[in-house]
Amino acid sequence: SQQGEEDPQALSIQEGENATMNCSYKTSINNLQWYRQNSGRGLVHLILIRSNEREKHSGRLRVTLDTSKKSSSLLITASRAADTASYFCATSLGANNLFFGTGTRLTVIP
Amino acid sequence: KAGVTQTPRYLIKTRGQQVTLSCSPISGHRSVSWYQQTPGQGLQFLFEYFSETQRNKGNFPGRFSGRQFSNSRSEMNVSTLELGDSALYLCASSPMGQGAGSYNSPLHFGNGTRLTVT
Repeated sequence: SQQGEEDPQALSIQEGENATMNCSYKTSINNLQWYRQNSGRGLVHLILIRSNEREKHSGRLRVTLDTSKKSSSLLITASRAADTASYFCATSLGANNLFFGTGTRLTVIP
Repeated sequence: KAGVTQTPRYLIKTRGQQVTLSCSPISGHRSVSWYQQTPGQGLQFLFEYFSETQRNKGNFPGRFSGRQFSNSRSEMNVSTLELGDSALYLCASSPMGQGAGSYNSPLHFGNGTRLTVT
């Protein structure tokens, strides 16, 4: 299966701290995407990084991609209570659907 | 621009019944994908429709089917419901879909339909 796995499964931090989540996948990819899901809601796209990119920034988000290790990380800096959500990585081969990881449940304590 | 709209928001059905879920994509988006989300299996791809044609299909039994209309709206049908079909069903749209050449388009998700089978 191409499905990714996020690590850790759950993360609890204080507001203002940084949060780092990791994603590992199994096969070659064209791009890797990160999504956020608030409880019981749909997923919201955060950032996409192409296979030929190593790092990408968007606001307080920083994503890295290491295709040799088949892994990616999502860093959220200066976390806020509103960042409390589940975060998923998703990989795409380009020819088919997106494969989502198992998710990291982030709790930011005010 | 209005987002992806899924109806109904909640559904309760009994085993053996069938159910139809509806999804209206973002205006101008021609691809609609469906995903099933459960605590045990996570997010799993059901199928993708583009210009009224099923373009990709996940590994689900034939009880799960879908269709897309000329206005890009999509419906998903599950027949002979089983307890294990209880899940959050998510619809996502994108401008061109996830085929080769367009895979760098992110998906825009609706808030889902929560189906409970009793």
